[in-house]
Amino acid sequence: SSELTQDPAVSVALGQTVRITCQGDSLRTYYASWYQQKPGQAPVLVMYAETNRPSGIPDRFSGSSSGDTASLIITGAQAEDEADYYCNSRDISGKPWVFGGGTKLTVL
Amino acid sequence: QVQLLESGGGVVQPGGSLRLSCATSGFTFRIYGMHWVRQAPGKGLEWVSFIRYDSSDKYYADSVKGRFTISRDNSKNTLYLQMDGLRVEDTAVYYCAKTAKNIDDFDYWGQGTLVIVSS
Repeated sequence: SSELTQDPAVSVALGQTVRITCQGDSLRTYYASWYQQKPGQAPVLVMYAETNRPSGIPDRFSGSSSGDTASLIITGAQAEDEADYYCNSRDISGKPWVFGGGTKLTVL
Repeated sequence: QVQLLESGGGVVQPGGSLRLSCATSGFTFRIYGMHWVRQAPGKGLEWVSFIRYDSSDKYYADSVKGRFTISRDNSKNTLYLQMDGLRVEDTAVYYCAKTAKNIDDFDYWGQGTLVIVSS
C-alpha cells in the first residue's frame, strides 16, 4: 500500500478552485512533486519542490504544504484540467520514492 | 526538444526475461539521473528504479529488488531495465523518466512500453 495518501476522486465546477491533497509522514521531511496524467498519455510534471511550476504549466496551478500534507491547487479549473493527479516524494520508511494512489479530478 | 523512447516490451511467460531500453535525445544524458516507473492496467503509478548519472547509485522498489537491474550507456544516451524472473503482477506500462536538477523531480517522461506477463 502507498505511504502517500490521496483522495481517490475530487470534482470541481468549471472555473472554481479545487485543492488536491497528499498526506504522509515523509512530507514533514521531503518535498512533494505533482504529476498530471490524462487517459492514454504519459504523466506530466506540474509542480515540483511543492511550490515550483515548470515552464509551460499554466499559472492557475499552484502548490502548498503544511505539516504532513502537500496540496496542489487549481484556481479557475478548466475542462482540460480533468485528469488523474499523482503526488510523489521520498518514503520515510526507506524506499527511495513513492507515488500517492492518485486523485481523479472531474471538472463539472 | 527532450525525447525519451522506450522499447522492448512484449508478452512473456512467468519466469521469463525482458530487457527494456529507453533511447534519449535533446539533452545531455550523461549528467542526469534516470528513473523507471510502471503502471499496471487501470492502476496508479509505481516507482520501480533509479540510476544516478554516473551509475554510482542504483535503487529499486522492494517489489522488483533482486529480479530487475537498471543500467545505462552514456555513450549511447540509453537507459536499460533488465527484468528477470517476471511475474504476472509485473504486467504494466513501463515509463522511463528523466530527472530535473533535483533527482526527486521527474521532468520528462517517455510514452511507455507495455509488458504483459502471462501464460
